[in-house]
Amino acid sequence: AQTVTQSQPEMSVQEAETVTLSCTYDTSESDYYLFWYKQPPSRQMILVIRQEAYKQQNATENRFSVNFQKAAKSFSLKISDSQLGDAAMYFCAYRSGPYQGAQKLVFGQGTRLTINP
Amino acid sequence: ETGVTQTPRHLVMGMTNKKSLKCEQHLGHNAMYWYKQSAKKPLELMFVYSLEERVENNSVPSRFSPECPNSSHLFLHLHTLQPEDSALYLCASSQTGTGIPYEQYFGPGTRLTVT
Repeated sequence: AQTVTQSQPEMSVQEAETVTLSCTYDTSESDYYLFWYKQPPSRQMILVIRQEAYKQQNATENRFSVNFQKAAKSFSLKISDSQLGDAAMYFCAYRSGPYQGAQKLVFGQGTRLTINP
Repeated sequence: ETGVTQTPRHLVMGMTNKKSLKCEQHLGHNAMYWYKQSAKKPLELMFVYSLEERVENNSVPSRFSPECPNSSHLFLHLHTLQPEDSALYLCASSQTGTGIPYEQYFGPGTRLTVT
């Protein structure tokens, strides 16, 4: 079974600075998808970024980017120019692929990110 | 707004009550999920429905009973719950098929307290 580990329960960063959240996973599969979700105090889980394992290029979405190291099974999230609205719980998630059917997400424990003004 | 709604947002129930949680998705997806989020634990998958058929039941106690009458609606029927069932219950939906991004879209959750 796949597992996802987020070793940082809490992180804090000054507004406008850069922060990196860590995620490692364990799998014997070669094809899969990785996601970062954000859960603000409103509890709405929002997709931040997605990475396909077969792609060597790291995904980027505006101020959010990942460092995907397939051999090391590492998938970190970098947030640049941190904003107060980035404060939330961040979850790393794994999905087996490329199956076409419904597939569960396996989540890490989450990292609570605080932005200091 | 992610296109997935859940009602009620908050629910307090006694151990002998029967209640239902409702989820509705407006995204045209054909797969729906129930997750349980407890304090200090990772999100746990409870049920998966694909094309209105249950495809996964993650060893959930029978006091939780899912129902998926169509691809847009998902219910979780609750009866004789225990205090340890208090948690945030999240519904999600996704599309299945070739070349689909596969990400799941989540609702805002129902905060359940069992007294």
